[in-house]
Amino acid sequence: GENVEQHPSTLSVQEGDSAVIKCTYSDSASNYFPWYKQELGKGPQLIIDIRSNVGEKKDQRIAVTLNKTAKHFSLHITETQPEDSAVYFCAASRDTGNQFYFGTGTSLTVIP
Amino acid sequence: ETGVTQTPRHLVMGMTNKKSLKCEQHLGHNAMYWYKQSAKKPLELMFVYNFKEQTENNSVPSRFSPECPNSSHLFLHLHTLQPEDSALYLCASSQGPVGYGYTFGSGTRLTVV
Repeated sequence: GENVEQHPSTLSVQEGDSAVIKCTYSDSASNYFPWYKQELGKGPQLIIDIRSNVGEKKDQRIAVTLNKTAKHFSLHITETQPEDSAVYFCAASRDTGNQFYFGTGTSLTVIP
Repeated sequence: ETGVTQTPRHLVMGMTNKKSLKCEQHLGHNAMYWYKQSAKKPLELMFVYNFKEQTENNSVPSRFSPECPNSSHLFLHLHTLQPEDSALYLCASSQGPVGYGYTFGSGTRLTVV
């Protein structure tokens, strides 16, 4: 089955700096890679996703990159703000499947 | 509000109690899921239902019993739980496979005493 590893487990950055979270996956058949943000007391919410037919996707201050050859993908947050503080999860799946394989999460703290 | 509603938000139960978690989705999705979220572990998929039919049961102990009476409602019946079952239980729904509209509820924080 799929194995997703996520690093780092905790990350602190100064407000305005960039944050990068990295994930690797093992199943070359995985082709859909979402990122979820989970704030305290809430369930995970999708913030961006990427499919294997593209290498990069951006949405305002958030971007995701995918390297299929190396089987890794990364989340980039620029100009971080205190409201970006949360736990971020990466996941991998086959988009025809019904199961995500999640990373263990990164707790991001943005220091004002 | 995400369109997936879970009740109760918090639940404390003794090891001999029987309780149920409820999930309701208002998104017109046809697949629903239960996940367990424990500290410092990846989210663990427990059960999957497609069009009310259970299609996945990831080796979950029988003290957890799911029920899906229709595509909008999902229950997780709990009995004789152990303290290690304390966790956040998340419900999710999707329109078919995971690549399409996968949405989580806010979860039920369960504490077994």
